[in-house]
Amino acid sequence: KAGVTQTPRYLIKTRGQQVTLSCSPISGHRSVSWYQQTPGQGLQFLFEYFSETQRNKGNFPGRFSGRQFSNSRSEMNVSTLELGDSALYLCASSLAGRANYGYTFGSGTRLTVV
Amino acid sequence: EDKVVQSPLSLVVHEGDTVTLNCSYEVTNFRSLLWYKQEKKAPTFLFMLTSSGIEKKSGRLSSILDKKELFSILNITATQTGDSAVYLCAVEAHNTDKLIFGTGTRLQVFP
Repeated sequence: KAGVTQTPRYLIKTRGQQVTLSCSPISGHRSVSWYQQTPGQGLQFLFEYFSETQRNKGNFPGRFSGRQFSNSRSEMNVSTLELGDSALYLCASSLAGRANYGYTFGSGTRLTVV
Repeated sequence: EDKVVQSPLSLVVHEGDTVTLNCSYEVTNFRSLLWYKQEKKAPTFLFMLTSSGIEKKSGRLSSILDKKELFSILNITATQTGDSAVYLCAVEAHNTDKLIFGTGTRLQVFP
């Protein structure tokens, strides 16, 4: 079966712009989680969606937002980009958002803000 | 605040060596601890541990959890160059829908 698909793979934006990243989970999975990975901080949780509802949110400013569609595909949006937003953004697909169901990660979107 | 700490940050070994990676945690309402291997971008699942003292094993890799002392170790025996990667430890708490990650251990295996 197809894995987790994240698009685009690479993105270069300038400060102040906004960006939208997409994640298509494994077919049948209803939970999508988003993580930001930077060299200094490691992977940090952004938010998790299950059946179109945000169930949990990490400690990120309101410039970071997301949504999930009825087909379980999820998007995250970052507005007013800052240099510090440069990172690898990973999404994880899960049947129901618990470790015992398993999390499968996508290959990520590498965002560079200049 | 919940936190996961991995050590060492970086490790350089030769093929055939045995390595031990450490993960300690302070997480309220612990549910499970997971190990992932990240070679390029997508972390891939290695182990999930929920019970103390029970070793999980897969080939040359093994892991064990100590819930009393709040740590886990990942052992890799007879290392190969293909083991070169960042190894990530993550903890899941009850009633949450997120993983709390450590910053990872970068392992480099040279021939």
